[in-house]
Amino acid sequence: DTGVSQNPRHKITKRGQNVTFRCDPISEHNRLYWYRQTLGQGPEFLTYFQNEAQLEKSRLLSDRFSAERPKGSFSTLEIQRTEQGDSAMYLCASSLRTHEAFFGQGTRLTVV
Amino acid sequence: AQSVTQLDSQVPVFEEAPVELRCNYSSSVSVYLFWYVQYPNQGLQLLLKYLSGSTLVESINGFEAEFNKSQTSFHLRKPSVHISDTAEYFCAVSVGNDMRFGAGTRLTVKP
Repeated sequence: DTGVSQNPRHKITKRGQNVTFRCDPISEHNRLYWYRQTLGQGPEFLTYFQNEAQLEKSRLLSDRFSAERPKGSFSTLEIQRTEQGDSAMYLCASSLRTHEAFFGQGTRLTVV
Repeated sequence: AQSVTQLDSQVPVFEEAPVELRCNYSSSVSVYLFWYVQYPNQGLQLLLKYLSGSTLVESINGFEAEFNKSQTSFHLRKPSVHISDTAEYFCAVSVGNDMRFGAGTRLTVKP
C-alpha cells in the first residue's frame, strides 16, 4: 500500500491555460475527495466520488473545473482557462469509510 | 451546515512544555471529529478521531483530545511537546460525506 498518490507535485502555468491533475487513491478505497487549500486556510471541499459516481460538488467548483473518476479508480481534476485565483494546493483524499480519509501530498498550482 | 473554528492561528511553545490547541464546532446534528497534522511540504495525516464512545481519544505520539458536547469543543492537548511536533494542526468535523476543516493552528516548538 503506497498511500494516495498525486501528480504532478508542482505545476506552474500561464493564465488562460488548461491544467489537469491526477490522483491515485489507495487501492480498494471506494470514496475519493478533492479539496483546495490556500495559504493560511484549511482545506475546502470541492467534490466527492463514490466509485465512479460524482455524488457531491461544492459551489466552489465553477464551470471551469471538472473532475472525473473513470472506472472508479484514479481521478483527474481539470481546470480550464486558469486564473490567478486558482493558485492553491489541490489535495486528494480517499477512504473506505467516510470517517477515515487518507490524504495525498497535494499538487501545488501556481498561475502566473 | 457544520463549521469549525480554531481559536488560535499560531501557538509558540518551548520544548517539554504542555500545549492546548483549541477547536470549537457548530452543527445541528451528531458529528464525527478529527485532528489532522500537516508537516512542511507533506499532506495531511490523521492524528486522532472521535466517532463515538469514550470522549477522550489518544494518538500514538502522546496527543489527546476530549469531545465536550455541551461546549461543542474538541481541544487537542499534549503534556510535553517535542521539536518534532512543529507543524500545522487542523481540526475537522464530518457529517456524512461532508468534512469541514478549520483554518489551522501553527504549532512552533522552540528549544
